Amino acid sequence: KQEVTQIPAALSVPEGENLVLNCSFTDSAIYNLQWFRQDPGKGLTSLLLIQSSQREQTSGRLNASLDKSSGRSTLYIAASQPGDSATYLCAVISSDYKLSFGAGTTVTVRA
Amino acid sequence: DTGVSQDPRHKITKRGQNVTFRCDPISEHNRLYWYRQTLGQGPEFLTYFQNEAQLEKSRLLSDRFSAERPKGSFSTLEIQRTEQGDSAMYLCASSRKEGYTFGSGTRLTVV
Repeated sequence: KQEVTQIPAALSVPEGENLVLNCSFTDSAIYNLQWFRQDPGKGLTSLLLIQSSQREQTSGRLNASLDKSSGRSTLYIAASQPGDSATYLCAVISSDYKLSFGAGTTVTVRA
Repeated sequence: DTGVSQDPRHKITKRGQNVTFRCDPISEHNRLYWYRQTLGQGPEFLTYFQNEAQLEKSRLLSDRFSAERPKGSFSTLEIQRTEQGDSAMYLCASSRKEGYTFGSGTRLTVV
């Protein structure tokens, strides 16, 4: 059974600082990995999808890396803004197309 | 493409009542998923469909839960004889090839 862990559970930074969110998973035989953002009481918004053959994916201020062999992915958010405050979820997609989620990292960016 | 729609957004029900949620996936997506999320946790897999076939059900899904996807289009999730422990956010997602799109969720409160 795939276990996904996200560290830290919560993070508070001043505006402008770069964010580093970590995700680790136990079974390296993954299909893809997807990062999501969730605002309080809302659904999930997709941020980045990394295919298992890729090492990283970038979109604007966001960059996600994937190291399958060590079972890790990292989400970097450059020059954080108060609007980046949310919970960030890592989801590992297995070969049977099911997603396994971590518990998330709750980010607060202070103005 | 209007995204994944879920209805209702919020549902408050008395213990013992039955509730039904609806999910309308992105039209060309053949896979549809139901997840449940409680406060402070990542979403947990409940069940998924490929077209109209229900391919897998989690052990979390007791006999009180049933899901359907007639004609491979929209899906319904019914909970019979609700219990307070059923209070959670119920999330629907759809996918075709890669990447998953989530709806805004249905927040269920059992009083």
